[in-house]
Amino acid sequence: LAKTTQPISMDSYEGQEVNITCSHNNIATNDYITWYQQFPSQGPRFIIQGYKTKVTNEVASLFIPADRKSSTLSLPRVSLSDTAVYYCLVGGSNFGNEKLTFGTGTRLTIIP
Amino acid sequence: GAVVSQHPSWVICKSGTSVKIECRSLDFQATTMFWYRQFPKQSLMLMATSNEGSKATYEQGVEKDKFLINHASLTLSTLTVTSAHPEDSSFYICSARLGLGTDTQYFGPGTRLTVL
Repeated sequence: LAKTTQPISMDSYEGQEVNITCSHNNIATNDYITWYQQFPSQGPRFIIQGYKTKVTNEVASLFIPADRKSSTLSLPRVSLSDTAVYYCLVGGSNFGNEKLTFGTGTRLTIIP
Repeated sequence: GAVVSQHPSWVICKSGTSVKIECRSLDFQATTMFWYRQFPKQSLMLMATSNEGSKATYEQGVEKDKFLINHASLTLSTLTVTSAHPEDSSFYICSARLGLGTDTQYFGPGTRLTVL
């Protein structure tokens, strides 16, 4: 299982774009990159998943360079409700029941 | 889609009693479900992988006789904390894997267990 490294915490003002970078130097060929958001006393919520280049959905964008050793979650125009812990995970393949390992996550605090 | 529920959302019990937590995939079938535990200010720690129709696979350090897992159907997995003690107090979260192809897991809302 690839180990991930993220900043422990980040602060940002409302309305700003926030980029959280995750390092995963040992990512395997079949691994996907998945980001989750967790609010206190709630289960993690799926945000976005990608394999390479760029993925965009209604809440975020995920940028993955060609070597796939890192990825960046981009949250456009954050609001106070985006204050949460964000986890980057790598893993998954098209066979088996591969488990995911959660790292420390990034605690994002949005300042009014 | 991809909704996972847990019941109960919180439970308080006396030391020595057993507590059962249910995890259901509401709109999809999950051959594999996972159980996690999370202590305050910490990350999620995988406890076990639950496979429908077979025995669960426990992570190192997790007592299988204490944390009984049953995955009786494609939409239901249960975790029973037997003879609970105060140190078992934690936030228990399940997840269900959507299917083959990618390993996207969808998480339940969690169950707060407090053992007095």
